[in-house]
Amino acid sequence: AQKITQTQPGMFVQEKEAVTLDCTYDTSDPSYGLFWYKQPSSGEMIFLIYQGSYDQQNATEGRYSLNFQKARKSANLVISASQLGDSAMYFCAMREGYSSASKIIFGSGTRLSIRP
Amino acid sequence: GAVVSQHPSWVICKSGTSVKIECRSLDFQATTMFWYRQFPKQSLMLMATSNEGSKATYEQGVEKDKFLINHASLTLSTLTVTSAHPEDSSFYICSARNGENYEQYFGPGTRLTVT
Repeated sequence: AQKITQTQPGMFVQEKEAVTLDCTYDTSDPSYGLFWYKQPSSGEMIFLIYQGSYDQQNATEGRYSLNFQKARKSANLVISASQLGDSAMYFCAMREGYSSASKIIFGSGTRLSIRP
Repeated sequence: GAVVSQHPSWVICKSGTSVKIECRSLDFQATTMFWYRQFPKQSLMLMATSNEGSKATYEQGVEKDKFLINHASLTLSTLTVTSAHPEDSSFYICSARNGENYEQYFGPGTRLTVT
């Protein structure tokens, strides 16, 4: 069974600093995908970044990068030069396989607060 | 980009009544749709997976007779909360998977309050 663990319930970071949000996962399926989503107070789920299990390079999207360490089963999100608007809940998620039956499950989330 | 809508965005109902939530994929065909529930300050928990034209598959612990899911077309899925109780108050989020590229998109959510 797939499992996602986020061990940081909350984090405070000074504006303009970089921040790393931790995520570890567990799966026996060699094919899987890892996601990070941002959820502001409005509730919408905003897709940030995706990493496939067979991808050789770490994914990057603007200020977001995913530190993928396959052997350690970790997929940490790095936000560079944090901004006040980055304050939100962040969820790590995983999908096992790529079939129509594959489903995305979420970790418990990390609440990130950016200090001015 | 792909858009998933939900209606209503929020709803208040009385205990014992039923509430229907719609989820639509606006610019793609969704062969599979997912329904999640999120209690305050908690994560999204998958309730069920539905494929167009077939019965939904419910996650363990989710009452299928209470949460009726219908996926009648490739662009519409509905979740009906039957005989709602205050403990059903939650944020319900649907997600639709594009049948062509397997990308999955989330709706904006529906906040249900049962009084």
